[in-house]
Amino acid sequence: EADIYQTPRYLVIGTGKKITLECSQTMGHDKMYWYQQDPGMELHLIHYSYGVNSTEKGDLSSESTVSRIRTEHFPLTLESARPSHTSQYLCASSTGTGAWEQYFGPGTRLTVT
Amino acid sequence: KNQVEQSPQSLIILEGKNCTLQCNYTVSPFSNLRWYKQDTGRGPVSLTIMTFSENTKSNRRYTATLDADTKQSSLHITASQLSDSASYICVVSDRGSTLGRLYFGRGTQLTVWP
Repeated sequence: EADIYQTPRYLVIGTGKKITLECSQTMGHDKMYWYQQDPGMELHLIHYSYGVNSTEKGDLSSESTVSRIRTEHFPLTLESARPSHTSQYLCASSTGTGAWEQYFGPGTRLTVT
Repeated sequence: KNQVEQSPQSLIILEGKNCTLQCNYTVSPFSNLRWYKQDTGRGPVSLTIMTFSENTKSNRRYTATLDADTKQSSLHITASQLSDSASYICVVSDRGSTLGRLYFGRGTQLTVWP
């Protein structure tokens, strides 16, 4: 079992609200990622980080933002939630060396009404 | 275009039976291929990782094969159990970037019936 945690697990929120999805890992991994996944579809990378103070946008355009102030913490923020943001958000981390393994958190299921 | 295609999209089998899931990819340059199991409402969990030189890798009742020449992989599940019901995702990594970009398939949804 990977030591990577996400909160909340489920969130239902109204349009226009600001939300922050939390992700923490206790493995000391430098690389962290945020993916978005819709039912029956592939995971899409929306943000990643090589380490503290490093953040990059992924392949899928997202209105969310991320920060990496501490190695273990990689929160994702939506300033103004919209129904189109309804999805599952998965956080992952890796050591980034060799045939490296990505460990995934349990995900946050976000519903914007 | 780098892509990962999986088949079948969904599969129903009876408990105790074997099954094989397929993955075809066009990712280049190839680094490694992984199979993940994703239970409903959970994050993916790694089953195997194979590099270019590995043809077969086993993890308990899961056996993955890789043919890097034809760019195909399969995941064979032996003596299926009810707990095997999940989505199985094929993921291919390239070695063309520092990040080691991952390309995800859409998964095969496996249902095991008693």
